[in-house]
Amino acid sequence: DIQMTQSPSSLSASVGDRVTITCQASQDISNYLNWYQQKPGKAPKLLIYDASNLETGVPSRFSGSGSGTDFTFTISSLQPEDIATYYCQQYDNLPRVNFGGGTKVEIK
Amino acid sequence: QLQLQESGSGLVKPSQTLSLTCAVSGGSISSGGYSWSWIRQPPGKGLEWIGYIYHSGSTYYNPSLKSRVTISVDRSKNQFSLKLSSVTAADTAVYYCAREGGSKEGGFDYWGQGTLVTVSS
Repeated sequence: DIQMTQSPSSLSASVGDRVTITCQASQDISNYLNWYQQKPGKAPKLLIYDASNLETGVPSRFSGSGSGTDFTFTISSLQPEDIATYYCQQYDNLPRVNFGGGTKVEIK
Repeated sequence: QLQLQESGSGLVKPSQTLSLTCAVSGGSISSGGYSWSWIRQPPGKGLEWIGYIYHSGSTYYNPSLKSRVTISVDRSKNQFSLKLSSVTAADTAVYYCAREGGSKEGGFDYWGQGTLVTVSS
């Protein structure tokens, strides 16, 4: 099994801050990684696919990078509407996929 | 615009079978290149992928649930279904259906709104 470890599990930041979340895979997954945003009571939303590609319609303050085992998700300037839990998801061994544990982002 | 909508029993007794359906509108479930998944989220916890059914009809399940899961498709109704047998309280969760594939292989780009299933006597 490929394990996905996200950190931190939660963070608190001010509006306008740069926010960074990391996701580490237990083995090399190339760039087979996606990032999702989940707001309370809502379904997850795909933000970033293939580690660094921005989904259509997603604001450019969101970005992703990395390959192999180490990945980063960044919000360049945190906005109040970005309050959510963010998940990474690997698909290196399709059809089997799994998600990271999530990072809850709050406003300070 | 593709839309997915889950439906089914919100309360299931322990040891019984959970049954949910996902109705797809705005597109065909038979479109090549996509798979149709079930994903669940226990209250206050993270996401767990349950399994896929491909446009071809072939299925693949999370090994941790494989012995209890069946995913099937009804092309005439443009919907797919989940059955999870021998449920326990640990199966209490919000259950989502989602589409994977196309240009975003491995990515779930359309989701239903989710339906809460509680396992309780």
